[in-house]
Amino acid sequence: DAGVTQSPTHLIKTRGQHVTLRCSPISGHKSVSWYQQVLGQGPQFIFQYYEKEERGRGNFPDRFSARQFPNYSSELNVNALLLGDSALYLCASSVDNKWRSQETQYFGPGTRLLVL
Amino acid sequence: SQQGEEDPQALSIQEGENATMNCSYKTSINNLQWYRQNSGRGLVHLILIRSNEREKHSGRLRVTLDTSKKSSSLLITASRAADTASYFCATDERAAGNKLTFGGGTRVLVKP
Repeated sequence: DAGVTQSPTHLIKTRGQHVTLRCSPISGHKSVSWYQQVLGQGPQFIFQYYEKEERGRGNFPDRFSARQFPNYSSELNVNALLLGDSALYLCASSVDNKWRSQETQYFGPGTRLLVL
Repeated sequence: SQQGEEDPQALSIQEGENATMNCSYKTSINNLQWYRQNSGRGLVHLILIRSNEREKHSGRLRVTLDTSKKSSSLLITASRAADTASYFCATDERAAGNKLTFGGGTRVLVKP
């Protein structure tokens, strides 16, 4: 079975530009989460979506937005890029449960974004 | 902010030795999870341990959870060169809503 896929794998942008990152979850997974990982640090939670609705948001500015489509794929958008947005952006999908606890996350390979 | 803090930050061992790393957290959790990351790519789930569990095993991995001390440990027995990676703990905090909070990771080097 295909795992979580992300595109593109690498991206170079300049300050002030906009970027869209894409993620396809594992088939049957309805929950998608986005994380930012700066070099040398652990992943930082950005968003979680379930059934096209935002379920959780991390401590990121409004320049960051996301959405989930009917097929459960997701996009992460970042406007007005800053040098500090350079990072590995990870998408993860999971099987949701009625208790809404965070179950095992299945991560994609990530998109490495470099902002110049 | 990071809920889990791993200790040590880096660990270098010989193949065949055991590797132990610890994770401390601050607030009540639903579960704690351990992940491995090779060369800055995607994370791979290792073990999930729930707040009412004290120990879990998976192959050469052993995880313990002490909720009274708000800490967890990951033991890798009989380490191999392929175990070289960064290891992260992540907590599902009860009060934080729907997110996993990761620590800064332990970088493990297994020398052949």
